[in-house]
Amino acid sequence: EPEVTQTPSHQVTQMGQEVILRCVPISNHLYFYWYRQILGQKVEFLVSFYNNEISEKSEIFDDQFSVERPDGSNFTLKIRSTKLEDSAMYFCASKGRTGTYEQYFGPGTRLTVT
Amino acid sequence: DQQVKQNSPSLSVQEGRISILNCDYTNSMFDYFLWYKKYPAEGPTFLISISSIKDKNEDGRFTVFLNKSAKHLSLHIVPSQPGDSAVYFCAASRGDYGGSQGNLIFGKGTKLSVKP
Repeated sequence: EPEVTQTPSHQVTQMGQEVILRCVPISNHLYFYWYRQILGQKVEFLVSFYNNEISEKSEIFDDQFSVERPDGSNFTLKIRSTKLEDSAMYFCASKGRTGTYEQYFGPGTRLTVT
Repeated sequence: DQQVKQNSPSLSVQEGRISILNCDYTNSMFDYFLWYKKYPAEGPTFLISISSIKDKNEDGRFTVFLNKSAKHLSLHIVPSQPGDSAVYFCAASRGDYGGSQGNLIFGKGTKLSVKP
């Protein structure tokens, strides 16, 4: 069964450093998303990506964040200058065609900023 | 701004009995609702969904009920099994229209423990 994969599973970085989280969505999906979950809190939407551009972003997704689909398979989230409060689980998700609703999530990347 | 609320942080049920997980929402624009199951250190796994034009959807042991007038939905698991022990998230979507690209708004989750 196709699945969303994410690398790395755990990333430790120092405050102020740049990190890139990587995702490979399900191959025939068209919509891509990043969510995050701070420990003990709910899963929060960050950004959606469709047709090679950002289609929607939350207030969390400020100028320090960017997303890219550099080739036909990878989908990346970059945090330019990490802060302590960026420590969280980051989940990538993908969805099939327009009009479908079910999103399929990857296992997540645990980001720890020290 | 909690558009999706799960007011019970935890629920404990005996194996074989029914588990009922509840969810309330405030935004009338939501037109699709989903339940996800999450184990520790894993991503959310899609379980079952329901369109706002329906009031019930069933898939095996899992049934979701939607009461649109009360802005309330519930997930029933019958019979409950120890393997069902996980955190269950309710999520809502406005679909791919009106500027939204189907992003999901999640509740805080309910931790279900099914005891043998």
